[in-house]
Amino acid sequence: DAGVTQSPTHLIKTRGQHVTLRCSPISGHKSVSWYQQVLGQGPQFIFQYYEKEERGRGNFPDRFSARQFPNYSSELNVNALLLGDSALYLCASSYQSFGTDTQYFGPGTRLTVL
Amino acid sequence: AQSVTQLDSQVPVFEEAPVELRCNYSSSVSVYLFWYVQYPNQGLQLLLKYLSGSTLVESINGFEAEFNKSQTSFHLRKPSVHISDTAEYFCAVSDRGDNQGGKLIFGQGTELSVKP
Repeated sequence: DAGVTQSPTHLIKTRGQHVTLRCSPISGHKSVSWYQQVLGQGPQFIFQYYEKEERGRGNFPDRFSARQFPNYSSELNVNALLLGDSALYLCASSYQSFGTDTQYFGPGTRLTVL
Repeated sequence: AQSVTQLDSQVPVFEEAPVELRCNYSSSVSVYLFWYVQYPNQGLQLLLKYLSGSTLVESINGFEAEFNKSQTSFHLRKPSVHISDTAEYFCAVSDRGDNQGGKLIFGQGTELSVKP
């Protein structure tokens, strides 16, 4: 079975632009979470979605939004990009949204904001 | 708020030597604990996890971690490391009482560098 896939792999944007990142979970998984990993730091939780509903939101500004589709894939949108948004954005999928569930991570999307 | 501290940002070690990567968490409430490994230019892979029961958990590639509730620690150990163990290691917790389900809180990471 395919693992978690993310697109694009790399992205370069300029300040003020908008970006959309995409994630396809492992087949059968109903939950998708998004994390931001700044260089040299651990991942930080942004959102979790389960059955198309938001189940959790981290401490990120309203410029960050996400949604989950009926096929359980997900998009992360970031508006009005800042230099500080440059990071590796990781998507993780799990069967459900419980704390005991193992989260399987994709390879990430590397976003560079110039 | 829950937090995770990995006490060493870098750990250099020679091949076949033992290693311990230290992790402490802040919460006094019950938590689930995880260790993830990240190889260069890749996403995170689960190494092992503690949910309940035996405080010693093992991975298939020789790593083990021990949950110590009194010291709020979950240190990762391996008795003999290989070159292929070179990677970044992240400790993470999720709060059992957190209604945000599977939200993971990560430490800053420990870079393990195994030298021949």
